[in-house]
Amino acid sequence: AQTVTQSQPEMSVQEAETVTLSCTYDTSESDYYLFWYKQPPSRQMILVIRQEAYKQQNATENRFSVNFQKAAKSFSLKISDSQLGDAAMYFCAYRSNFGNEKLTFGTGTRLTIIP
Amino acid sequence: DVKVTQSSRYLVKRTGEKVFLECVQDMDHENMFWYRQDPGLGLRLIYFSYDVKMKEKGDIPEGYSVSREKKERFSLILESASTNQTSMYLCASSSGGTGGYNSPLHFGNGTRLTVT
Repeated sequence: AQTVTQSQPEMSVQEAETVTLSCTYDTSESDYYLFWYKQPPSRQMILVIRQEAYKQQNATENRFSVNFQKAAKSFSLKISDSQLGDAAMYFCAYRSNFGNEKLTFGTGTRLTIIP
Repeated sequence: DVKVTQSSRYLVKRTGEKVFLECVQDMDHENMFWYRQDPGLGLRLIYFSYDVKMKEKGDIPEGYSVSREKKERFSLILESASTNQTSMYLCASSSGGTGGYNSPLHFGNGTRLTVT
C-alpha cells in the first residue's frame, strides 16, 4: 500500500518570504499523480497544485511550485511571497493511475504566516 | 464551479444512535468519497463509490456503512455511534472517466461530529 509522509507538523514563515513544505511517499508504481491541497480555517479543501509522475517538469501555479524528485520519492511545495491568506493546513496526497481514484493523504502541515 | 454540499456543519449525537451524514454534488460526478480527518492522522478513507449502488471499503470502514441510491447523493451511516467516531467527516467527488490529473477531488466543507 502507498504511504505519504509529511514530517513537519507545523511551519511558520514571515509574510513575503518563501517557505518549503516537505512530502515523501512510498510506492512501487511508476505511474501516479501527486497533489497538494490547502485547508484554511473555513475547512474547505482546495486543490493547490498537481503533478503527473511521468512529467519531468515541475508544476507551477502562480506563487506555488513543486520540487518533484521521482527517484527520491519526494514532492515538496514551495510558496513564494507568502501572504496572510496562505495560512492553512497543507496536505500532500498520492493517487495511483491504476484502479480506483482514491487519494492517500499525508498527516498535514499547519502553516502560520507571521505579519 | 463544482459544489459538494454536506448537510450539516456541526452535529452532536449520543452513543448508540444511528447517524446519517449526507453529501450531495451537483456536477454529475461518478466518484464519491467519505474521508475522516483527525489531528495528526490526516485524512483517512472510509468508503468510496464509483457508480450508483456501487461501493468499496476504504482504509477504515469498520463501524460505518454507505448508501448511494442516486448519482448525486452519497450517505455515510454510523449504525451505532461511539465516542471514538467523534471526528471531522469530509465528503468529496471526482469526475472519473480517464481520471487522475484531470479529475481531482472536490470537497465539501466537512461535518464535525461529536458523539457523547
